[in-house]
Amino acid sequence: QPALTQPPSASGSPGQSVTISCTGTGSDIGEYNFVSWYQQHPGKAPKLLIHEVNKRPSGVPDRFSGSKSGNTASLTVSGLQAEDEADYYCSSYAGSNIFVVFGGGTKLTVL
Amino acid sequence: VQLVESGGDLVQPGRSLRLSCTASGFTLGDYALSWFRQAPGKGLEWVGVIRSKGHGGAREYAASVKGRFTISRDDSKSIAYLQMDSLKTEDTGVYYCTRDLSTFYYGSGSDLWGQGTLVTVPS
Repeated sequence: QPALTQPPSASGSPGQSVTISCTGTGSDIGEYNFVSWYQQHPGKAPKLLIHEVNKRPSGVPDRFSGSKSGNTASLTVSGLQAEDEADYYCSSYAGSNIFVVFGGGTKLTVL
Repeated sequence: VQLVESGGDLVQPGRSLRLSCTASGFTLGDYALSWFRQAPGKGLEWVGVIRSKGHGGAREYAASVKGRFTISRDDSKSIAYLQMDSLKTEDTGVYYCTRDLSTFYYGSGSDLWGQGTLVTVPS
């Protein structure tokens, strides 16, 4: 059972915005600002979209944004495009015993 | 700039396997490296991390593999390894080698991933 909770699916039409939530506890998301989001297309390796809650690596479009409130992190994809259809995973640092935990993933469908 | 994993195979329960991760286009020794895995049709799971030698080379592991898996690195060859002993059926999956964003902080995110290598441990 994944430590972080994500909705299994999300969807939106091209041009719309979609927000994916990732809920943890006060021992992971709530305590640390090391929340990351990854995008994974079928049969491909994951790609880092967001790190440290809201920072985008170079090359990631600014259509992708991250935020955090309490024990819940969120990824917003604005101006949905067909190529955004993929699985999205959140992760968080969870302290020096568990280290890194993941959500179960959200399948984003562009209608 | 890339990471390439190799060594994945079909291996019987209880046996060992060593995965390799070869870096090119950057100095491996400057970075912490993490391993992740993904069981067929499932989500991502963190396996472990090794810090750069400049930050002590400390290694940490997920509880599910601690005591069975060992991460090492040979920066002179730009290769990292994942030694997997006492393999179990639940170790089956694609294993990814990654480069960490931070050389010190765990969980900082991995900005470079290999293509993955498949390990199959049949029941």
